[in-house]
Amino acid sequence: QSVVTQESALSVSPGGTVTLTCALSSDSVSTGYYPSWYQQSPGQPPRTLVHTTVTRASGVPDRFSGSILGTRATLTITGAQADDEADYYCALHLGSGIWMFGGGTKLTVL
Amino acid sequence: EVKLVQSGGGLVHPGGSLRLSCGVSGFSVSNNYVTWVRQAPGKGPEWVSIIYTAGSTYYADSVLGRFSISRDEMKNTVSLQMNSLRGDDTAIYYCVRLMAYDETGKYRGYFQNWGQGDLVIVSS
Repeated sequence: QSVVTQESALSVSPGGTVTLTCALSSDSVSTGYYPSWYQQSPGQPPRTLVHTTVTRASGVPDRFSGSILGTRATLTITGAQADDEADYYCALHLGSGIWMFGGGTKLTVL
Repeated sequence: EVKLVQSGGGLVHPGGSLRLSCGVSGFSVSNNYVTWVRQAPGKGPEWVSIIYTAGSTYYADSVLGRFSISRDEMKNTVSLQMNSLRGDDTAIYYCVRLMAYDETGKYRGYFQNWGQGDLVIVSS
């Protein structure tokens, strides 16, 4: 069975840039897996940040950007702010009505 | 405004059953894909099930044969019937609208609108 892997924890300085990655154990991540990214703060449901690899959801600041880098999907935060501190999850559509989330990255802004 | 209002969660014994409901406003469940996603304490989300506009249903291996998703088009609701519950089913369950095809017909395939979540605890 496929596994979606993310960094468990990352840190970034205020104003800095950080890249989170999303890998698939059984294949390279491509646009055909429709990678999407979600931000979750404690006690809240996830919030959509980026979908279809590169498209920011409505209302999401342009400091969040998605792409494919090599074999992974990536979410880059440029000019990190204190309220970007949260858990981040990627999701992939594996086909045949099946989706899978990554284990998440806990981002610390310090 | 899109809203997904969930109900039905609670405490259930191992082997028991529970039915979660998701009342939808702002879109029609018959014309949209609706999914269930769960999140165990301290863990990442796990996709559980989906019902397509045509009525096709799909399940994660972890719940296949135990859970059943359905919809009531008259009431505009989606339900998740959960049977043979186990301790590892303990989680917050989210009802989520999946954006499948946008207005141009392009496939998007992402989790767009989330319900508030409903806690299910399976314990003796």
